[in-house]
Amino acid sequence: ETGVTQTPRHLVMGMTNKKSLKCEQHLGHNAMYWYKQSAKKPLELMFVYSLEERVENNSVPSRFSPECPNSSHLFLHLHTLQPEDSALYLCASSQDRRNTIYFGEGSWLTVV
Amino acid sequence: GEDVEQSLFLSVREGDSSVINCTYTDSSSTYLYWYKQEPGAGLQLLTYIFSNMDMKQDQRLTVLLNKKDKHLSLRIADTQTGDSAIYFCAETQLNTGGFKTIFGAGTRLFVKA
Repeated sequence: ETGVTQTPRHLVMGMTNKKSLKCEQHLGHNAMYWYKQSAKKPLELMFVYSLEERVENNSVPSRFSPECPNSSHLFLHLHTLQPEDSALYLCASSQDRRNTIYFGEGSWLTVV
Repeated sequence: GEDVEQSLFLSVREGDSSVINCTYTDSSSTYLYWYKQEPGAGLQLLTYIFSNMDMKQDQRLTVLLNKKDKHLSLRIADTQTGDSAIYFCAETQLNTGGFKTIFGAGTRLFVKA
């Protein structure tokens, strides 16, 4: 139990579907992150939220849309994804950008 | 520069020591970390070291930091099959954009029984 909970753990979706990944942190942190981990590629930082404001967006396609309604919850809305978007999506949180990042268990996404 | 580099694979026999190495390029690092990722799971924080320290020991884990050479290592004593995983080195930097944590590509540790 890391204090960062992701749901669902596994998701299979078609290219025309709309789905969402959810992340909740119980650590009282102020920063939350989405990372993408693909086979044989380094960890890719997608989005960073600090105090519910998006502070970093690393050239992620608009078919990925993050939402941070409060400092404990982070969503990743998925729409018209491509098969190459299949990956492990990791949510993480930290007290602030200076401090240790704690990861959730990840959501395995398969786009068919 | 922002790079954090690690070798991709390491294979050791059970009971031996494992040493996983990492180099980084940015001298503004504050904290350096080692994370462990087991199959199908997220990254689990193993240990960290503040940039003004040279060494940190935690049970079977020893972290060595050579700030002059920008080299970080993780030594696992008496390596067990349960230590088989991917180990990520990470560095938190302070630059003009603020704080940022950069991850290496991960070293896959194979432990042979």
